[in-house]
Amino acid sequence: DAGVTQSPTHLIKTRGQQVTLRCSPKSGHDTVSWYQQALGQGPQFIFQYYEEEERQRGNFPDRFSGHQFPNYSSELNVNALLLGDSALYLCASSLSGGAREKLFFGSGTQLSVL
Amino acid sequence: AQSVTQLGSHVSVSEGALVLLRCNYSSSVPPYLFWYVQYPNQGLQLLLKYTTGATLVKGINGFEAEFKKSETSFHLTKPSAHMSDAAEYFCAVLNTGGFKTIFGAGTRLFVKA
Repeated sequence: DAGVTQSPTHLIKTRGQQVTLRCSPKSGHDTVSWYQQALGQGPQFIFQYYEEEERQRGNFPDRFSGHQFPNYSSELNVNALLLGDSALYLCASSLSGGAREKLFFGSGTQLSVL
Repeated sequence: AQSVTQLGSHVSVSEGALVLLRCNYSSSVPPYLFWYVQYPNQGLQLLLKYTTGATLVKGINGFEAEFKKSETSFHLTKPSAHMSDAAEYFCAVLNTGGFKTIFGAGTRLFVKA
């Protein structure tokens, strides 16, 4: 049973560029949440997708956007990259039903903005 | 608004000693509470969770935590530390009926031989 998979594992971009990160949820999961983890910090909630719609959003600018596909996989897009966007981006999947509170995390995508 | 405060960004213990990692939460409604562990270059893994019922919760790898509503605390303990316990630990809260799990800043546990 494959867990949560994220790609790529590492990425280097320059300021102003755009980036797309991808996530495949754990088999059977229908909900995907994205988190940003800056060095030495806890994960910060970006948004959550369920039924192909953004269900809840954290305190992130509109430069951060996402998408969920019919197979429940998800993408995180960040436009006009800033140096401060350098972080580990974590994808977490969960169930919409009774066990929805338990998050399963991928290993993350390490984004470096130069 | 819900929030989590972890007391101590770094904790160092000797192998075989008691591990105590502190967490206090703020929530306007009954919360779900969690402890996650993160090893280097990996994602987070759930150690244990409190939803309802028994306030003493046992998790994986010998860890346990006690929900104390009167103190708004959810401290993580392990009777005897092992070298393999060295990692970053995150306390988290989710409001019942909510969708957003909020994480604390983390506590890095060092285990000395």
